[in-house]
Amino acid sequence: SQTIHQWPATLVQPVGSPLSLECTVEGTSNPNLYWYRQAAGRGLQLLFYSVGIGQISSEVPQNLSASRPQDRQFILSSKKLLLSDSGFYLCAWRANGGGDTQYFGPGTRLTVL
Amino acid sequence: KQEVTQIPAALSVPEGENLVLNCSFTDSAIYNLQWFRQDPGKGLTSLLLIQSSQREQTSGRLNASLDKSSGRSTLYIAASQPGDSATYLCAVRRGKAAGNKLTFGGGTRVLVKP
Repeated sequence: SQTIHQWPATLVQPVGSPLSLECTVEGTSNPNLYWYRQAAGRGLQLLFYSVGIGQISSEVPQNLSASRPQDRQFILSSKKLLLSDSGFYLCAWRANGGGDTQYFGPGTRLTVL
Repeated sequence: KQEVTQIPAALSVPEGENLVLNCSFTDSAIYNLQWFRQDPGKGLTSLLLIQSSQREQTSGRLNASLDKSSGRSTLYIAASQPGDSATYLCAVRRGKAAGNKLTFGGGTRVLVKP
């Protein structure tokens, strides 16, 4: 069966510091991968998606970037965090080319102070 | 631009009552609709997925219906239990390709009182 992992689970960072959140998927190959942010009082917002290694599409302009160095690894980064980057970050995967259900990871709670 | 709305934002029922959760969307040209459950501080758990050609899907006490022409879906939870307390989110996808993102509603926060 497939599982999706995210770490860290929680993170408190000062403004201006760098960020690296990691997501890995097990039990599937060549998945579509997604990064979402869920901010207080707002719905889930898609940040990035990837259909393969090194292929990243950005949904909204922002202070963040994403990379996919391996087939089942998706990384969300920032060089300098802003207060507005605080939120709950969720990684998700969907089977490439046929699967319809999207599955989410446990999330990372990021607080920028 | 697709917009997804879930009303009410919060709902409280006594244990044993049936739950009815509503989801409406503005663009009926959808590929599928997915219902999720989210517990506080946790990720999303997929409950049911309905393809645009389907009218309903069932899993245990859960039943989801889809009326694409009117832009509505309803999630029914029979004989609610305190463990059903969570936020329920619906999301629609426009197409099959990866670039067709899920558009989420704001969710309905459910409290089932013992």
